[in-house]
Amino acid sequence: SQQGEEDPQALSIQEGENATMNCSYKTSINNLQWYRQNSGRGLVHLILIRSNEREKHSGRLRVTLDTSKKSSSLLITASRAADTASYFCATERYGGSQGNLIFGKGTKLSVKP
Amino acid sequence: GAVVSQHPSWVICKSGTSVKIECRSLDFQATTMFWYRQFPKQSLMLMATSNEGSKATYEQGVEKDKFLINHASLTLSTLTVTSAHPEDSSFYICSASSLAGGPQKETQYFGPGTRLLVL
Repeated sequence: SQQGEEDPQALSIQEGENATMNCSYKTSINNLQWYRQNSGRGLVHLILIRSNEREKHSGRLRVTLDTSKKSSSLLITASRAADTASYFCATERYGGSQGNLIFGKGTKLSVKP
Repeated sequence: GAVVSQHPSWVICKSGTSVKIECRSLDFQATTMFWYRQFPKQSLMLMATSNEGSKATYEQGVEKDKFLINHASLTLSTLTVTSAHPEDSSFYICSASSLAGGPQKETQYFGPGTRLLVL
């Protein structure tokens, strides 16, 4: 079954608001990564958090990881219309082949100006 | 950051023909390349993993004789969809990573994708 499941499936907010997306997974992992995909385009790597890390920041992005709950969250602060995209979490399974990522279904974020 | 390109960006072909998609890492040596397919409004599904100079490893349910993968160099991998049928219509995305270390390690850099439509 699919490793990552994002929640919510769709999120619509106003520019300037914060957006929070959650991801749950089922097995032990080496790391968890968040990607962004604009409609009909490839994926852009946003941030990687390792299994021994709890929180990571990159610009307006904040990622948390709770391995006891097997969940992660992506927070985008002060959102902009340009943040409109689909966001996917992907996990590299512990003991699996390096780089073998399993993607969640994604959260479609819409930021209205 | 690392750049991965794909060619073509879109292709329309007749049923029964073969289509080749190229994936290139432009500014780093990719020891491993991955091929995914994505149906509309769905997530990416890994099809296969290819390491330079060796045979690709296919995921369960992916026909290796139908989706031929060649990773002949550290900067190029190709996916050939043989005898394409309408159900093969999808968005195919490659990614590349390097186990040699540096910023590419553990991170996959994705190409822009190739949209295939089989009539």
